[in-house]
Amino acid sequence: GEDVEQSLFLSVREGDSSVINCTYTDSSSTYLYWYKQEPGAGLQLLTYIFSNMDMKQDQRLTVLLNKKDKHLSLRIADTQTGDSAIYFCAEISGGSYQLTFGKGTKLSVIP
Amino acid sequence: DTEVTQTPKHLVMGMTNKKSLKCEQHMGHRAMYWYKQKAKKPPELMFVYSYEKLSINESVPSRFSPECPNSSLLNLHLHALQPEDSALYLCASSQETGGNTEAFFGQGTRLTVV
Repeated sequence: GEDVEQSLFLSVREGDSSVINCTYTDSSSTYLYWYKQEPGAGLQLLTYIFSNMDMKQDQRLTVLLNKKDKHLSLRIADTQTGDSAIYFCAEISGGSYQLTFGKGTKLSVIP
Repeated sequence: DTEVTQTPKHLVMGMTNKKSLKCEQHMGHRAMYWYKQKAKKPPELMFVYSYEKLSINESVPSRFSPECPNSSLLNLHLHALQPEDSALYLCASSQETGGNTEAFFGQGTRLTVV
């Protein structure tokens, strides 16, 4: 079945860039998403990328997709303490009902 | 308005109680979802409604009963739950099912079964 893998923890200093990586196995993935979850809260959609794109930039966020290697990354520029959260990578295949989530990467920002 | 609103935010219930979780969206989305999230785990899909009809039930026990009274509302009726059902219950909606639109999530209901 489909699988989405992420490293569990990342720690960066405030002001530095963060890069959160994700790999997936489903070659028919059509959309790939990054969600942010703050403690005790729901999931906030940060950004998404369609599988025929290789890069998407949105203010401090840059998503890179390497479809050949099935590798997705989220770069957060000028990381702030408010960026501390768990970041979930998720994918969906065409015609599927279900988002497949990674286990989430906990980003800790050190002041 | 890109909000999915869930009520209540917190719920404590006994194993013999009957309660309901509510979810509302006014984005005109035709697909709505219930997810269950245990601590430090990703969300797990429970149910999918498409055009107010149940289209996916991920082998969820019958003590969880979803209901979609109209295109804006999604309920989850709870009865005779177990302590291991304690979790964050997330509602989501998307314009359609399938891989062409993003899903928006509510803030969740944190359920504790005692």
